[in-house]
Amino acid sequence: GESVGLHLPTLSVQEGDNSIINCAYSNSASDYFIWYKQESGKGPQFIIDIRSNMDKRQGQRVTVLLNKTVKHLSLQIAATQPGDSAVYFCAEKLYGQNFVFGPGTRLSVLP
Amino acid sequence: KAGVTQTPRYLIKTRGQQVTLSCSPISGHRSVSWYQQTPGQGLQFLFEYFSETQRNKGNFPGRFSGRQFSNSRSEMNVSTLELGDSALYLCASSPSAGTYNEQFFGPGTRLTVL
Repeated sequence: GESVGLHLPTLSVQEGDNSIINCAYSNSASDYFIWYKQESGKGPQFIIDIRSNMDKRQGQRVTVLLNKTVKHLSLQIAATQPGDSAVYFCAEKLYGQNFVFGPGTRLSVLP
Repeated sequence: KAGVTQTPRYLIKTRGQQVTLSCSPISGHRSVSWYQQTPGQGLQFLFEYFSETQRNKGNFPGRFSGRQFSNSRSEMNVSTLELGDSALYLCASSPSAGTYNEQFFGPGTRLTVL
């Protein structure tokens, strides 16, 4: 499959452990954020979103935390599975503007 | 509900040629955005269309253009191709153009310029 990013930061976790992927966003005025997962050869897949008036949002096995004070977003994946291996991107949006994507983090799940 | 579809999936062109890529959004979605993805630059925004009008445009040369049809389908065109245009071109659709709209991506078109 295509190489999404040749020199992305990589997070390696053991299968069954929890994963925490971090993202520093750029615009303190951004008011909407999305986490995406991209597997080799595929387009980014929507995981979870959060609005700026929230600090935390939970989905199935995933939790997104937003810290506006330090412009930081994190994605927590519980009980990481081999199928979670992918590149993860955060995206930020300001009203009337387009989404801006972070550089991505490669998650590698070890058996 | 069918997802975002993009055609063709793969293209090989030579420098100087032009190319047209197509995107069909999720049924009912009226906003379509295009992105270029490369290993070096990551995901970069090209433009967004809503109701056949371009709403936002990224920092790309005029060789990159797009349009949207009344059925929300969109095309992007790249003229006078350069080697650096080799990339994965991604289309994403949203229900509308507001801020709190989930954006869903298609599988992309892999363009190789020789």
